[in-house]
Amino acid sequence: GDSVTQTEGLVTLTEGLPVMLNCTYQTIYSNPFLFWYVHYLNESPRLLLKSSTDNKRTEHQGFHATLHKSSSSFHLQKSSAQLSDSALYYCALRDNTGANTGKLTFGHGTILRVHP
Amino acid sequence: AQTIHQWPVAEIKAVGSPLSLGCTIKGKSSPNLYWYWQATGGTLQQLFYSITVGQVESVVQLNLSASRPKDDQFILSTEKLLLSHSGFYLCAWGTGVSYEQYFGPGTRLTVL
Repeated sequence: GDSVTQTEGLVTLTEGLPVMLNCTYQTIYSNPFLFWYVHYLNESPRLLLKSSTDNKRTEHQGFHATLHKSSSSFHLQKSSAQLSDSALYYCALRDNTGANTGKLTFGHGTILRVHP
Repeated sequence: AQTIHQWPVAEIKAVGSPLSLGCTIKGKSSPNLYWYWQATGGTLQQLFYSITVGQVESVVQLNLSASRPKDDQFILSTEKLLLSHSGFYLCAWGTGVSYEQYFGPGTRLTVL
């Protein structure tokens, strides 16, 4: 079945440094659709980014990610971390069986902590 | 605009007692509905999904059940709670076309 791997459980950064959260996936389908969800403390998770076509960069709120089918990756990046970026980040893969269920397979999540 | 409401906000229950958590979506017709669970310090796990009234599919077995009695309502329940059921339960809705999901405020469950 589908799987998503986020290798870092916790990433701690100093404000102003670049951010990179890893996400790789496994699926038998040739056109994967990936998402990044962000979960701030005391809020509900919400969509941050969704993938586009292969090798095309998508951006939102200063974050960006590029789907690379060759390496099965959709890493989340930001050029300069802010204190307000501290949150739990999930990478997710859409079900592609064609059943139109909207099922997502989530990675284990990466906690990003940004300190002054 | 669509709104998603979950009840209760928080519950403290005894092991072996029954549980019923609810979720209602307003402003969206025939949404796909989902239940998620996050253990304290753990990851987000999808438990159930439903694409139409009366049909629910299980994703993870946790001795829980779900039902969709109405188009806009999704219920999560069990007859006997376990300690391992403690955590944060999230309801979400989405459309099959976009696959974006929108989460509710969640219910914090503590089983003692």
